[in-house]
Amino acid sequence: GAGVSQSPSNKVTEKGKDVELRCDPISGHTALYWYRQSLGQGLEFLIYFQGNSAPDKSGLPSDRFSAERTGGSVSTLTIQRTQQEDSAVYLCASSLELGALNTEAFFGQGTRLTVV
Amino acid sequence: DAKTTQPPSMDCAEGRAANLPCNHSTISGNEYVYWYRQIHSQGPQYIIHGLKNNETNEMASLIITEDRKSSTLILPHATLRDTAVYYCIVKAGGTSYGKLTFGQGTILTVHP
Repeated sequence: GAGVSQSPSNKVTEKGKDVELRCDPISGHTALYWYRQSLGQGLEFLIYFQGNSAPDKSGLPSDRFSAERTGGSVSTLTIQRTQQEDSAVYLCASSLELGALNTEAFFGQGTRLTVV
Repeated sequence: DAKTTQPPSMDCAEGRAANLPCNHSTISGNEYVYWYRQIHSQGPQYIIHGLKNNETNEMASLIITEDRKSSTLILPHATLRDTAVYYCIVKAGGTSYGKLTFGQGTILTVHP
């Protein structure tokens, strides 16, 4: 596609429910990143994929958070037993190469998650 | 990753140049300086990046000091639509991947 696509754009869920957020990266981009941005805050790194593997999961805030990527393309971020503090905009980005210092990341428009 | 320091906010008059500074005194030799911006309610947008030479594209210019310890992003003719949070980021080098570590950025307000 022309850009990074995320769905849904908005999600309201009840506390305790599980949610899945989807990211379609730019075609051919091998690197994929998930970030989280709480209201009025900066971007917080969550996880990085190179192909289908995730060499860096250091930003996942708890074991309720998990992510997978299949076929080196689409990624899904899953939050189990959602809590109100999970409310945030979840942003996905993709870039062309691993370790290449001069490639830029392209971001999607994000999924706004509200836990009520 | 090298850390960056930016002023929390700046103002600029429409049509004038906006000069956004960034300090990255601990940058290492193989790290690039990247600039992104985030307009309200949108995902971050790539602006420009550089290693040691000055760079220019259709959006902005990037001036990096000779010692690479600081840089300035220049928007030559700011418009109201340039109002955004601007992030200066030093990108991980060596065998690390290109994870972006965002700081608090500079809130640029362009006023009529």
